[in-house]
Amino acid sequence: GQNIDQPTEMTATEGAIVQINCTYQTSGFNGLFWYQQHAGEAPTFLSYNVLDGLEEKGRFSSFLSRSKGYSYLLLKELQMKDSASYLCAVRESAGNKLTFGGGTRVLVKP
Amino acid sequence: AAGVIQSPRHLIKEKRETATLKCYPIPRHDTVYWYQQGPGQDPQFLISFYEKMQSDKGSIPDRFSAQQFSDYHSELNMSSLELGDSALYFCASTLGTSVGNEQFFGPGTRLTVL
Repeated sequence: GQNIDQPTEMTATEGAIVQINCTYQTSGFNGLFWYQQHAGEAPTFLSYNVLDGLEEKGRFSSFLSRSKGYSYLLLKELQMKDSASYLCAVRESAGNKLTFGGGTRVLVKP
Repeated sequence: AAGVIQSPRHLIKEKRETATLKCYPIPRHDTVYWYQQGPGQDPQFLISFYEKMQSDKGSIPDRFSAQQFSDYHSELNMSSLELGDSALYFCASTLGTSVGNEQFFGPGTRLTVL
């Protein structure tokens, strides 16, 4: 089975930086995904890590350490529209399904 | 670009009724996944299909069944509906099962069981 933990909620100010941590314990590992989800809408893909290191994509960056079972999503230059839930999801070695963490609700304040 | 299409977008049913949810993957995508997301919860994997064959099975109740058709669209059939089945049901699609293929999610079907 898989155990994926991330903080429940975070608050940050517009223009600031927020880091959302995700730790996982899995019997196998075949990649970690970050998705953004606004309330009542579909998750949208943000980033993917399968090797250790940092992946940068505009204002969003994601880091992975497989030996530590740890990832983070970094959101820079926060905008009000970034207020959403951010889901950390791990792909098991077998099959391609995603197992999601509980999601981190980020609230951006003016 | 075409996205994943789900229908209906909203569905209201009574207890013990049946429901059928449809998913049309992105053109040329041959793999579909179904997820259930309860209020305030993260998506939970139900079942997936690759090339019309079931490829993986998660926490899908026996009352639910699904299949993928020759045109790669998929249907989730739900019988003897219970109040606890009220949730958002997402379908996601990918091309093949290669490592790194991101799953594109559809807009979801909101099922309400009264």
